[in-house]
Amino acid sequence: ETGVTQTPRHLVMGMTNKKSLKCEQHLGHNAMYWYKQSAKKPLELMFVYNFKEQTENNSVPSRFSPECPNSSHLFLHLHTLQPEDSALYLCASSQEGRGPDTQYFGPGTRLTVL
Amino acid sequence: KNEVEQSPQNLTAQEGEFITINCSYSVGISALHWLQQHPGGGIVSLFMLSSGKKKHGRLIATINIQEKHSSLHITASHPRDSAVYICPITGNQFYFGTGTSLTVIP
Repeated sequence: ETGVTQTPRHLVMGMTNKKSLKCEQHLGHNAMYWYKQSAKKPLELMFVYNFKEQTENNSVPSRFSPECPNSSHLFLHLHTLQPEDSALYLCASSQEGRGPDTQYFGPGTRLTVL
Repeated sequence: KNEVEQSPQNLTAQEGEFITINCSYSVGISALHWLQQHPGGGIVSLFMLSSGKKKHGRLIATINIQEKHSSLHITASHPRDSAVYICPITGNQFYFGTGTSLTVIP
């Protein structure tokens, strides 16, 4: 039990679909993160939320829209995605979003865009 | 040039061997992490270092801040250690290397 859960674990969607990825942490942390990992590429940090406020947005296309309604939940809303967006999307949480910190990762959502 | 470089990129070892994975970085950091990613994609955080050395079971991680270098050592390697090992760094930003893919053969 990692304390960070993600749903769904697998998702296949068409380019015109709208879907959402969900992440929930049960660790009492204040920071949550979305990462993207494409095949044979390094992990890419997409978004950071610290105390429910977005503090990082690493030039992510607007077809990815994050939402953090509270410090335990993080969503990634997807719309009009491209096939190159197919990847493993990982959520993580930590006590705070700055400074020395240990991040706890969820199992990931494997997304395939057709 | 990447801010974080890992070596080797691929490593195959025989069960029982002592393994070292290296991570070099070029920017100031507040912490360096070692992550283990298994073939299914799941990631486990192994260590977070800001100085010195940490040990957990058969795993040892060291960091030299002056030389901007960290190593992850695995003693008495086992096939279940087969995974990709990643060393993200945190400072003003997050940086990730491409990882080291380790295969331990029985």
